[in-house]
Amino acid sequence: KQEVTQIPAALSVPEGENLVLNCSFTDSAIYNLQWFRQDPGKGLTSLLLIQSSQREQTSGRLNASLDKSSGRSTLYIAASQPGDSATYLCAGQFGNEKLTFGTGTRLTIIP
Amino acid sequence: KAGVTQTPRYLIKTRGQQVTLSCSPISGHRSVSWYQQTPGQGLQFLFEYFSETQRNKGNFPGRFSGRQFSNSRSEMNVSTLELGDSALYLCASSLVGGRKFEQYFGPGTRLTVT
Repeated sequence: KQEVTQIPAALSVPEGENLVLNCSFTDSAIYNLQWFRQDPGKGLTSLLLIQSSQREQTSGRLNASLDKSSGRSTLYIAASQPGDSATYLCAGQFGNEKLTFGTGTRLTIIP
Repeated sequence: KAGVTQTPRYLIKTRGQQVTLSCSPISGHRSVSWYQQTPGQGLQFLFEYFSETQRNKGNFPGRFSGRQFSNSRSEMNVSTLELGDSALYLCASSLVGGRKFEQYFGPGTRLTVT
């Protein structure tokens, strides 16, 4: 059974700091990993998709990496801003093609 | 290009009733997946449709069903509602539902069962 884990469940960081969110998965036969953000009561906004053949993807202040051998992905956010406060979810797509989600990290950026 | 749309956005139903939720994918996207999000269970996969066929199904009872139309729009139906069905229901679309394609989510339908 594929499992995706995100630790910690919550994180508070002063504005301007760089930070890393973690995601781990149990099945190394991962096809891709996608990072999302979710604002309270809202849907999911796709941030980055990393295919299994890639090691990392970048978009603006965001950088996501994928290490299949260790079963880990990280989302790096540079120069954090209060608008980055949200819940961040990672999701892996494995052999059965559905997304398996982690439980999320609730990020608070302190002004 | 318009994003994924879901209707209605909010819904209040009584136990025992049934409900139908609608999802319109991004233009050109042929795969639609449905997920249930609850505080206790997180995001769980319900089913995926591609070209009007259910390709994948999660571990939900038969009260949960869906369908997809020729224009790729999808509906999900929940019959005999239970209190535990209260959740945010999200649909996602992708080009072909394959392993390489990014999934885009709609804003969700908030269902409350009383």
